[in-house]
Amino acid sequence: DVKVTQSSRYLVKRTGEKVFLECVQDMDHENMFWYRQDPGLGLRLIYFSYDVKMKEKGDIPEGYSVSREKKERFSLILESASTNQTSMYLCASSSGAYNEQFFGPGTRLTVL
Amino acid sequence: ELKVEQNPLFLSMQEGKNYTIYCNYSTTSDRLYWYRQDPGKSLESLFVLLSNGAVKQEGRLMASLDTKARLSTLHITAAVHDLSATYFCGETSGSRLTFGEGTQLTVNP
Repeated sequence: DVKVTQSSRYLVKRTGEKVFLECVQDMDHENMFWYRQDPGLGLRLIYFSYDVKMKEKGDIPEGYSVSREKKERFSLILESASTNQTSMYLCASSSGAYNEQFFGPGTRLTVL
Repeated sequence: ELKVEQNPLFLSMQEGKNYTIYCNYSTTSDRLYWYRQDPGKSLESLFVLLSNGAVKQEGRLMASLDTKARLSTLHITAAVHDLSATYFCGETSGSRLTFGEGTQLTVNP
């Protein structure tokens, strides 16, 4: 079974802090994604990556950056956290002809 | 721009009843995905529909795809409480998925 893990289930940070959210997948998938999910706004794509050291902006990249130094790991970085970045963050990976995305358990981030 | 619309967005139904969730999408994609999300949890893949006319069934859930109408349906048969969750459909462009808003299903005893 595909396994996607995220470094924390719950995280509390202060405004202005630099925040790292880590995602690791164990199925050698090429594609990895970061979403945020907010009530009433659904799932919104922040960034995605097709390959190591490659990244593409999603629909809401402002205030975020990403890093993919190894195929299995995709990091989301909040350079200076703000309260409007309080959200559930979901990582996913996919590969192959079907491009079915497999999701990690999510990180609920609260910025105070 | 990809656009995926689900309806209804909220569905409250009694155990034992049948109902259908509709998913309209915007492209000529021949692939459509259904996911389930339990409260406070992540998304779990339910179905991948890969061609026009595709039908897949798992337990009380059956999904179908009509690419000509750009419509997918998720049919619930004889609902049980355990099916209470939010259901998302998604269409693909390349490797990206665009999701609908989700249908929050509540099955009442």
